[in-house]
Amino acid sequence: QKEVEQNSGPLSVPEGAIASLNCTYSDRVSQSFFWYRQYSGKSPELIMSIYSNGDKEDGRFTAQLNKASQYVSLLIRDSQPSDSATYLCAVNLLKAGGTSYGKLTFGQGTILTVHP
Amino acid sequence: DAGITQSPRHKVTETGTPVTLRCHQTENHRYMYWYRQDPGHGLRLIHYSYGVKDTDKGEVSDGYSVSRSKTEDFLLTLESATSSQTSVYFCAISFRPSGYGYTFGSGTRLTVV
Repeated sequence: QKEVEQNSGPLSVPEGAIASLNCTYSDRVSQSFFWYRQYSGKSPELIMSIYSNGDKEDGRFTAQLNKASQYVSLLIRDSQPSDSATYLCAVNLLKAGGTSYGKLTFGQGTILTVHP
Repeated sequence: DAGITQSPRHKVTETGTPVTLRCHQTENHRYMYWYRQDPGHGLRLIHYSYGVKDTDKGEVSDGYSVSRSKTEDFLLTLESATSSQTSVYFCAISFRPSGYGYTFGSGTRLTVV
């Protein structure tokens, strides 16, 4: 089992719809969770971070965290064609007895396509 | 990306030759990381640094070495390049460990022929 797993997609949604991206992780003691967006040929860009159970909203983006289920998700409301990209889930895994030094473990990414 | 630059942006090299990639930051961040990105594998950590001369291995460190003699520079060396090291390499920086996320450089596309 991979430490951070995402459905690679592609996920296709119509313009104006809600896109839902999901991520599961293996380490129960992880504290920090991130979503990055990566356009083709570009570097990843941080769009959301979340640390506590529940929802965190920023504009059209909502991150949801459920530590009991080891699950983090990203909702994109009113999806636009410009949201078409690969979305990467990243977790700061804190394995028992280790020091993370801020290392992030990434999922494989979900390709999102928003069609007009 | 603002405050972090990678060089070169593109490189083609021959199998067996050494290659050094450079990551330079002007943010005075303590933590620096090298990742490679390959289709089907996502981003995988090669090496990281938590201070000048303080470095450690990531999950895919075989065939790579790093050095950090100054806060602003983190060098990645492929000791003897192989075709399996053809990839896109990203450098990232972070202000503090955990809970802050990364800023990525623009990447280096390396092709080993």
